[in-house]
Amino acid sequence: ETGVTQSPTHLIKTRGQQVTLRCSSQSGHNTVSWYQQALGQGPQFIFQYYREEENGRGNFPPRFSGLQFPNYSSELNVNALELDDSALYLCASSLLRGSFTDTQYFGPGTRLTVL
Amino acid sequence: AQTVTQSQPEMSVQEAETVTLSCTYDTSESDYYLFWYKQPPSRQMILVIRQEAYKQQNATENRFSVNFQKAAKSFSLKISDSQLGDAAMYFCAYRSREGAQKLVFGQGTRLTINP
Repeated sequence: ETGVTQSPTHLIKTRGQQVTLRCSSQSGHNTVSWYQQALGQGPQFIFQYYREEENGRGNFPPRFSGLQFPNYSSELNVNALELDDSALYLCASSLLRGSFTDTQYFGPGTRLTVL
Repeated sequence: AQTVTQSQPEMSVQEAETVTLSCTYDTSESDYYLFWYKQPPSRQMILVIRQEAYKQQNATENRFSVNFQKAAKSFSLKISDSQLGDAAMYFCAYRSREGAQKLVFGQGTRLTINP
């Protein structure tokens, strides 16, 4: 069974640029959630994707957007990068069956630095 | 909105001893899930233990157990026979049973194991 993978591991961007982060979900999972973890903080929910549609969103501006593909992998896109976007971005996959979501399993994260 | 509070930013324990990490949460819901996740320095978030609110019995996973007090909205983690590999950030998290089922995390507790 393949776990959750994320790419790239590290990324350095400058203010105003755009970035795309990628996530491959665990085998058998159909839901992907993205979290932002600032240094020394707990993760904050950005959004969740199920069946290629956004299935809930946290308190993040529209310049944070995502996609889910038919193979359940996902992308997180951030436009017009700001210094405060520097963080560890975590992807988590899970299985949604009816109204029940199983436990979320996390990938290793992508460390984004905005200069 | 639900909130999770971990009042101990740092804890330390001697190897082979027992340590308890505290977590309180606030919610108006009656059915939900609670989790403890571990994030070692390598940063991948790992599920330690999970508790369903409708179950009165406290969850146990080997050396890890919880004390779930629903009325007090308290969910502490006890680690018995602490090992060097237990050193990590520990996050308490809440998830609703319905809706987007996002995880709401506390600020974390850094656990140090002294040999």
